[in-house]
Amino acid sequence: QKEVEQNSGPLSVPEGAIASLNCTYSDRGSQSFFWYRQYSGKSPELIMFIYSNGDKEDGRFTAQLNKASQYVSLLIRDSQPSDSATYLCAVTRSTGKLIFGQGTTLQVKP
Amino acid sequence: EAEVAQSPRYKITEKSQAVAFWCDPISGHATLYWYRQILGQGPELLVQFQDESVVDDSQLPKDRFSAERLKGVDSTLKIQPAELGDSAMYLCASSPQGAQNTGELFFGEGSRLTVL
Repeated sequence: QKEVEQNSGPLSVPEGAIASLNCTYSDRGSQSFFWYRQYSGKSPELIMFIYSNGDKEDGRFTAQLNKASQYVSLLIRDSQPSDSATYLCAVTRSTGKLIFGQGTTLQVKP
Repeated sequence: EAEVAQSPRYKITEKSQAVAFWCDPISGHATLYWYRQILGQGPELLVQFQDESVVDDSQLPKDRFSAERLKGVDSTLKIQPAELGDSAMYLCASSPQGAQNTGELFFGEGSRLTVL
């Protein structure tokens, strides 16, 4: 079992729809959770972080965390073609090490 | 805007040859990371420096890989000898403090290695 698991996709949604990206993790002691976006051929960039159970909203992005279920998600409202990218979930282990999932590729079709 | 500088952007080499990558982090960032990203996978941490000290190199294949950050600023990652399986993107990242505090890593553009 991988420490951070994501469905590799691709996840395809029409423009204007809500895209839902999911991530599970295995270390119950994990405290910090992050979503990075990576465009093809580019390096990752941080778009959201969440530390507490519940929802955190930033513009069109909402991160959701459920520590009991060891589950993190990212919702993108009003998806745009420019949102097409790979989304990497990253989790800080109880030891402090940041572990990345394999990423989910999102395709937003006009 | 401050950026993490990496070179070379692309490197093609034959197996058994030596290869080196260089990284200059954002000024003032004490923590520097080298990640390897194989196509279709997430980044995997190879080594983490806090200033000039190695904090984590548990996933660094030490028989062929070495990394240094002598003055606590720029860093070099070396592979000798290169193997076919080393073909990947090598990403350098920096942060003002450890990832366990903010998780906000600033990545360079990466060095893509192809081993023939």
